[in-house]
Amino acid sequence: QQQVKQSPQSLIVQKGGISIINCAYENTAFDYFPWYQQFPGKGPALLIAIRPDVSEKKEGRFTISFNKSAKQFSLHIMDSQPGDSATYFCAASMYDFNKFYFGSGTKLNVKP
Amino acid sequence: NAGVTQTPKFRILKIGQSMTLQCAQDMNHNYMYWYRQDPGMGLKLIYYSVGAGITDKGEVPNGYNVSRSTTEYFPLRLELAAPSQTSVYFCASSLKDRSNQPQHFGDGTRLSIL
Repeated sequence: QQQVKQSPQSLIVQKGGISIINCAYENTAFDYFPWYQQFPGKGPALLIAIRPDVSEKKEGRFTISFNKSAKQFSLHIMDSQPGDSATYFCAASMYDFNKFYFGSGTKLNVKP
Repeated sequence: NAGVTQTPKFRILKIGQSMTLQCAQDMNHNYMYWYRQDPGMGLKLIYYSVGAGITDKGEVPNGYNVSRSTTEYFPLRLELAAPSQTSVYFCASSLKDRSNQPQHFGDGTRLSIL
């Protein structure tokens, strides 16, 4: 049973456009939702994270929107740049266990 | 700041061989994890450790073993390598304190079993 479902699997966006990646979860005990960015040949690196007590978090061009009632959260990349081309993973964890459940990843290609 | 260091970066094994993937972190993190990442797939947890001397199975532990004698090191052992274990292996660490903290990943070991 997949704890975190991520879509789309791949995404092509023109430079300057908005990239949107969506994730959904079932376990209401999750209390931490990070997004990771992975470049080819590298490990995932934390991009931005949110806790369920807020509905939105913004860091530069990256924004997480969180909908607790729908059990969904999404990553928005504004003014997408070719350098943003990477694979993005959403994840969820709960404090008691500190185990992370990852989505299947979205490969983003930003065309110049 | 080295962070999480994995060695080797690449390795080719023959079926039935054994090897140990090394992982070290210098951040004094109490939690450490091993994942495998197959092409086009997410990360699957193999084993994790909440502190020295304590390990537990993740989603896909079969064919692997771990040990954690110190805070810094968390090696992953493959016994009797099989083609199904061809993958990219990532080690990660995190600090568990009053709240969840993010995981920090190494750059991976790319393992091919032929």
